[in-house]
Amino acid sequence: RKEVEQDPGPFNVPEGATVAFNCTYSNSASQSFFWYRQDCRKEPKLLMSVYSSGNEDGRFTAQLNRASQYISLLIRDSKLSDSATYLCVVNPSGGGADGLTFGKGTHLIIQP
Amino acid sequence: EAGVTQSPTHLIKTRGQQATLRCSPISGHTSVYWYQQALGLGLQFLLWYDEGEERNRGNFPPRFSGRQFPNYSSELNVNALELEDSALYLCASTLILALAQFFGPGTRLTVL
Repeated sequence: RKEVEQDPGPFNVPEGATVAFNCTYSNSASQSFFWYRQDCRKEPKLLMSVYSSGNEDGRFTAQLNRASQYISLLIRDSKLSDSATYLCVVNPSGGGADGLTFGKGTHLIIQP
Repeated sequence: EAGVTQSPTHLIKTRGQQATLRCSPISGHTSVYWYQQALGLGLQFLLWYDEGEERNRGNFPPRFSGRQFPNYSSELNVNALELEDSALYLCASTLILALAQFFGPGTRLTVL
């Protein structure tokens, strides 16, 4: 079983629409969770951390369900600039010993 | 504040040669991680350095090695290059291990 699983997409979404991504992780001992975005041939950039209580940053909302080992990202009022690959990322050990575990990403295309 | 920097941007080598990649973390960050992103694959954890010591390594052969200098910058060495080593090599730094990591722009290594 893959450690972090995401739907690779692509998700083709019209500008202004709301889009949601999900991912599941296999290591129940995982300590911290993140969404990163990666543009083509660029480095991953932190979008937001994900907390059990849920958190929002502007148009972006992230949720964590530890019982189901499930993480979600919601993007409202999508912009053309949101087109990117979104990486679900888990820190499997609180001490950082194993680095971060990345999903392969969900490719999002916002269409005008 | 300057972000993580990496050099060179691109590196072309032939099979059997050695490659050296360099990384400077964000000022004040003492932990440096190296990741490999091969085409079509997710980011894979390579090595973790903290306070000048190698703390952990991922599932990669010993010909992948490196070091961290007293100023916390780091070097990744890949010996006896193989074609499948062609990938984007990303360096990331963090201040607190449970928190997010911040990535440099990467070095794209091509092995011919």
